[in-house]
Amino acid sequence: GAVVSQHPSWVICKSGTSVKIECRSLDFQATTMFWYRQFPKQSLMLMATSNEGSKATYEQGVEKDKFLINHASLTLSTLTVTSAHPEDSSFYICSASSDRYADREPQHFGDGTRLSIL
Amino acid sequence: DAKTTQPPSMDCAEGRAANLPCNHSTISGNEYVYWYRQIHSQGPQYIIHGLKNNETNEMASLIITEDRKSSTLILPHATLRDTAVYYCIAGAILTGGGNKLTFGTGTQLKVEL
Repeated sequence: GAVVSQHPSWVICKSGTSVKIECRSLDFQATTMFWYRQFPKQSLMLMATSNEGSKATYEQGVEKDKFLINHASLTLSTLTVTSAHPEDSSFYICSASSDRYADREPQHFGDGTRLSIL
Repeated sequence: DAKTTQPPSMDCAEGRAANLPCNHSTISGNEYVYWYRQIHSQGPQYIIHGLKNNETNEMASLIITEDRKSSTLILPHATLRDTAVYYCIAGAILTGGGNKLTFGTGTQLKVEL
């Protein structure tokens, strides 16, 4: 159990376009979802935390108008990178958390989305 | 969350035990020690966690010192597929979910023939 699916796994697009990344919890209801960004040879950096039906909480330095997060249901969260530029190229990873598994595994991670902006 | 310190890299021969240390000298009484690993270009994978007692599962063992200021993750028989970055994280379990994890730089474990 506790599978998190992320889509797409890889996307290349032109500078100035917007890109949407989906994160789904397939077999459990995720009370909280997290979005991370990882640059090459660096660790995961938390971008934002979102609870279903609420506005996301962004980490310091993350532009909320640039990275739009929607968590409309207990199984789906989306991250939209608006007007993407080459410096937004990165590996984006989502994770999901549930009360059901809180005492075993605090976050279940997707396999990430490799975003390349040309 | 308490800060953790890990060596940047370690090597291990295949079939041998890999012992990965972690220091968390400022850990609070309600914070667990979690271990995740990340194989290149994938999302992190949960390995094990513990509070005070040593823990073992099908993947690894976790040894926590009595004062809880450090711990060691043990992969009993490392294979080439265990080559990954291993992250040690200290964090509290929050009621209602939303357990925030702060990733440090981790240890790059390289398992070789």
